[in-house]
Amino acid sequence: GAGVSQSPRYKVAKRGQDVALRCDPISGHVSLFWYQQALGQGPEFLTYFQNEAQLDKSGLPSDRFFAERPEGSVSTLKIQRTQQEDSAVYLCASSLGWGRDGNTEAFFGQGTRLTVV
Amino acid sequence: AQTVTQSQPEMSVQEAETVTLSCTYDTSENNYYLFWYKQPPSRQMILVIRQEAYKQQNATENRFSVNFQKAAKSFSLKISDSQLGDTAMYFCAFMKSSGGGADGLTFGKGTHLIIQP
Repeated sequence: GAGVSQSPRYKVAKRGQDVALRCDPISGHVSLFWYQQALGQGPEFLTYFQNEAQLDKSGLPSDRFFAERPEGSVSTLKIQRTQQEDSAVYLCASSLGWGRDGNTEAFFGQGTRLTVV
Repeated sequence: AQTVTQSQPEMSVQEAETVTLSCTYDTSENNYYLFWYKQPPSRQMILVIRQEAYKQQNATENRFSVNFQKAAKSFSLKISDSQLGDTAMYFCAFMKSSGGGADGLTFGKGTHLIIQP
């Protein structure tokens, strides 16, 4: 597809389960972000990749959250031992080269809505 | 750290009217970008308009324009001739331009705009 694709669209997990959320960025996009959007709030930054390098993971809320992008394309956000407070929409965004030469165009996916019960 | 404040949780106007959404921000940076994003029920963030802080001229995109007041740290969005399809959540966002590409967006909490027929 031409856009950023995220899967699954919806995920229900029992408290304590591990989950993996997938992001397929636009082909050739170097930059990739993950954001967490709680109900009624704006998205909050989680982590940033430039190709396969995770340059910033300062927004990950705990060591239960882990993100990877091993080949510089598809990225996976993993949450271990999910808790109710992890319930949110997780958005992925990609960019050809974020911040370079004034490039600030980011393309967002439709997100994964995670509900922890 | 940057903060973005949207003080209007919800606004409702009649179709064809003009509406203005407010946004203020706090930063010690001198060079940065400001954005308005639209998030319809599909959850996909769509860029509406972008402003570079060093540019004094207010950005415009068809029916969308901004009133950027750098000294007041204010960045409002005006939608003219509003249409039913404008109904969505609108988020104001900030990005500093000095981070070399590793800085994500800082979002406000959003304004739910409803266009009434």
